[in-house]
Amino acid sequence: DMKVTQMPRYLIKRMGENVLLECGQDMSHETMYWYRQDPGLGLQLIYISYDVDSNSEGDIPKGYRVSRKKREHFSLILDSAKTNQTSVYFCASSLARGRGNTLYFGEGSRLIVV
Amino acid sequence: GEQVEQRPPHLSVREGDSAFIICTYTDSATAYFYWYKQEPGAGLQLLMSVFSNVDRKEEQGLTVLLNKKDKRLSLNLTAAHPGDSAVYFCAVSEPGSAKLIFGEGTKLTVSS
Repeated sequence: DMKVTQMPRYLIKRMGENVLLECGQDMSHETMYWYRQDPGLGLQLIYISYDVDSNSEGDIPKGYRVSRKKREHFSLILDSAKTNQTSVYFCASSLARGRGNTLYFGEGSRLIVV
Repeated sequence: GEQVEQRPPHLSVREGDSAFIICTYTDSATAYFYWYKQEPGAGLQLLMSVFSNVDRKEEQGLTVLLNKKDKRLSLNLTAAHPGDSAVYFCAVSEPGSAKLIFGEGTKLTVSS
């Protein structure tokens, strides 16, 4: 079954706390993504991972870091969360770089930083 | 870099009417085009993908038009029904790039 799973789905953190968002996929996809979604802004790319330990910054990487130690698992880490990082975060995966491949999305992780 | 603009941000139609959403992009090298649907509380699901060698594609009540000269991509839902109520996103990517650039989204409401 083709699925991208995100954990946790909902999270409330205090400003300055660390946040770990986890994503798994069961399709052996090479490429994985973290996006954030804010009203009126669509989806903004935070990081792309092309495979294990092969990660690249997206358009808004500041304040985030990622980890990919296994092909099926991609983590987003916020060290010292800020209130402006309140958002819905989406993980996605695709079969390979470019060539018009479809992105498969998880259901999102809603983070509130107070 | 590539920029994608999508309009309208909100669209309300009655059941059975058509709903039309348009996106414009800036980079003529863009080769892959997508429409995604997001239902409340869920992730995005691919509706249709179009490559740059296609001007028109129809599937199950959806029509995608691509005008490469004007750098315009559109989605038409014919005979919309309440189950089509969702947020719709266009997205584009360039050859060899893993990055998808998304439009801002259109919230479609279909009333019965």
